[in-house]
Amino acid sequence: EIVLTQSPGTLSLSPGERATLSCRASQSVSSSYLAWYQQKPGQAPRLLIYGASSRATGIPDRFSGSGSGTDFTLTISRMEPEDFAVYYCQQFANAAFTFGPGTKVEIK
Amino acid sequence: QVHLQESGPGLVKPSGTLSLTCAVSGDSISDSDWWTWVRQPPGEGLEFIGEVSHSGSTNYNSSLKSRITISLDTSKKQFSLKLNSVTAADSAVYFCTRRSHMAIFGLVAFMFDPWGQGILVTVSS
Repeated sequence: EIVLTQSPGTLSLSPGERATLSCRASQSVSSSYLAWYQQKPGQAPRLLIYGASSRATGIPDRFSGSGSGTDFTLTISRMEPEDFAVYYCQQFANAAFTFGPGTKVEIK
Repeated sequence: QVHLQESGPGLVKPSGTLSLTCAVSGDSISDSDWWTWVRQPPGEGLEFIGEVSHSGSTNYNSSLKSRITISLDTSKKQFSLKLNSVTAADSAVYFCTRRSHMAIFGLVAFMFDPWGQGILVTVSS
């Protein structure tokens, strides 16, 4: 099973700042099988990015994804108040889906 | 627009069976895609439980495979999860979601979207 590690565990930022979130896989992952989700307290996860870099419908262009192989990045160019949340990466390989432990982005 | 809604008991006794249903509206449950269950223990991360395809095939998390059954009822536009021999470790918010796919750059990408609001299930006597 491929294990995903996310860093940092918590990121403290001010509105307007840039957020860079990392997702590292224990083995190479096909870029098409890497997705990112946002989750706010008491809510279900929301799809942000699929295929490592494609934004889901309705997702603002301040969100971008990149990476390949074992290293993937979610970037939020300028943090808006509604972007403070937990972010999860997720991959698919060998008929198994796994999620990373999440990065919490909190207000500094 | 697809909408998913979980339902079922919020309290299950240890060693009992957890049974949840996800109602699907706004989309045909039998056309394509997979219908998936994901859970989240309080304060923890997300765990893939398993899924059922539009044709009834299943794909389960290997760590839970011996205890779970996921099935599809196309006539009622719903799919269900049964998890037996539950313990306190199975206490979690259970989400249903759709695993859809899209072709990008000649490859197939998978994504979980949309999600139900989730239902908290507590295992306790």
